[in-house]
Amino acid sequence: DAGITQSPRHKVTETGTPVTLRCHQTENHRYMYWYRQDPGHGLRLIHYSYGVKDTDKGEVSDGYSVSRSKTEDFLLTLESATSSQTSVYFCAISVEPSGGANVLTFGAGSRLTVL
Amino acid sequence: KQEVTQIPAALSVPEGENLVLNCSFTDSAIYNLQWFRQDPGKGLTSLLLIQSSQREQTSGRLNASLDKSSGRSTLYIAASQPGDSATYLCAVDIIQGAQKLVFGQGTRLTINP
Repeated sequence: DAGITQSPRHKVTETGTPVTLRCHQTENHRYMYWYRQDPGHGLRLIHYSYGVKDTDKGEVSDGYSVSRSKTEDFLLTLESATSSQTSVYFCAISVEPSGGANVLTFGAGSRLTVL
Repeated sequence: KQEVTQIPAALSVPEGENLVLNCSFTDSAIYNLQWFRQDPGKGLTSLLLIQSSQREQTSGRLNASLDKSSGRSTLYIAASQPGDSATYLCAVDIIQGAQKLVFGQGTRLTINP
């Protein structure tokens, strides 16, 4: 998984509770992303970061916040989880091969169930 | 708003056949297009990336083509094998810099021995 670790890999929680998912990279890539994957919708971008403390919204950012206090860590927080946020969450990084366009590389995913 | 469509949603073929997966997008103003593979319960693996100035890319038995003007890309798999069974997704990158990819919903491919 190109040095990307997501934690936790599985989580079951109740509606209204806060949840934080962590994405850790072992390299020094500038861009990091959070996507969610749902049947019938495919993958959709939630938030992304282009540097420490630099983040921006994606297509489906409502109900989510992110933080990046260190280059290697990108946190996704659900302040008050809802059942509609039950999904598989993927972290990704842009890997910059020499002489080529950036390639998006994904972590293994975090499956979140909100009861 | 950019939309990406992949047809068919599922495809089952016997081993050894050559096959083509299709991807279409509504806005031709793309930066690049990527094809990914996803195995059940796993993350996505990048297969091929075609920059907007390119027409095709090849990697082993895989060949991806891009026709920006018609909003289409195809992924050609030669001499299919059971290990090729997976879901294949295409995604378009709509800006330079941050990769804000717009994904299709994928084609679930099954190769029968």
